[in-house]
Amino acid sequence: AQTVTQSQPEMSVQEAETVTLSCTYDTSESDYYLFWYKQPPSRQMILVIRQEAYKQQNATENRFSVNFQKAAKSFSLKISDSQLGDAAMYFCAYRSARDPTGNQFYFGTGTSLTVIP
Amino acid sequence: GAVVSQHPSRVICKSGTSVKIECRSLDFQATTMFWYRQFPKQSLMLMATSNEGSKATYEQGVEKDKFLINHASLTLSTLTVTSAHPEDSSFYICSATQGVYGYTFGSGTRLTVV
Repeated sequence: AQTVTQSQPEMSVQEAETVTLSCTYDTSESDYYLFWYKQPPSRQMILVIRQEAYKQQNATENRFSVNFQKAAKSFSLKISDSQLGDAAMYFCAYRSARDPTGNQFYFGTGTSLTVIP
Repeated sequence: GAVVSQHPSRVICKSGTSVKIECRSLDFQATTMFWYRQFPKQSLMLMATSNEGSKATYEQGVEKDKFLINHASLTLSTLTVTSAHPEDSSFYICSATQGVYGYTFGSGTRLTVV
């Protein structure tokens, strides 16, 4: 089974600064998707960014970008110009591409991000 | 965008009773829905995969007789916690798939069994 590891249970960042959240995963598959989800106190899961494994270019969404290293099975999230609203739990997730509509997500254990004013 | 409605958002029930949680895809058809459980400050753990018109597939260690899942239509899946006990208190989240990327989560249900 695939595993997703987030080695940083908690992180903090000064407002307007940059922070990087780490994620590694283990899989024998060559085609898959990787995601970062944000879960604020409301507990609603919000998609932050996604990456297709077959794409070499790192995904970017406004202040959020990833560093996808397929060979190293690493998928870190960089948040630039951190804002107070970025404070949340962040989950890294893996999903197989074999059967996209039916495959489950494998989630990491999460990183709690605090933004300091 | 795709919306998944989950109801109720909070429920308190007495020990021994049953409670039903609904998960609806509002603007798309979802052949597959997933049910997750999340304990405080922990990750989401998949409980079962719900397929329209067929029996749900439960993850190892999940009691299928306690957590009844019904996916009777392409827009509705329900999770019924039967004979609830305090240890069933948790946060339950559903999600539905739409195509390759469309994986939308419901807003979750906080279940408290007293």
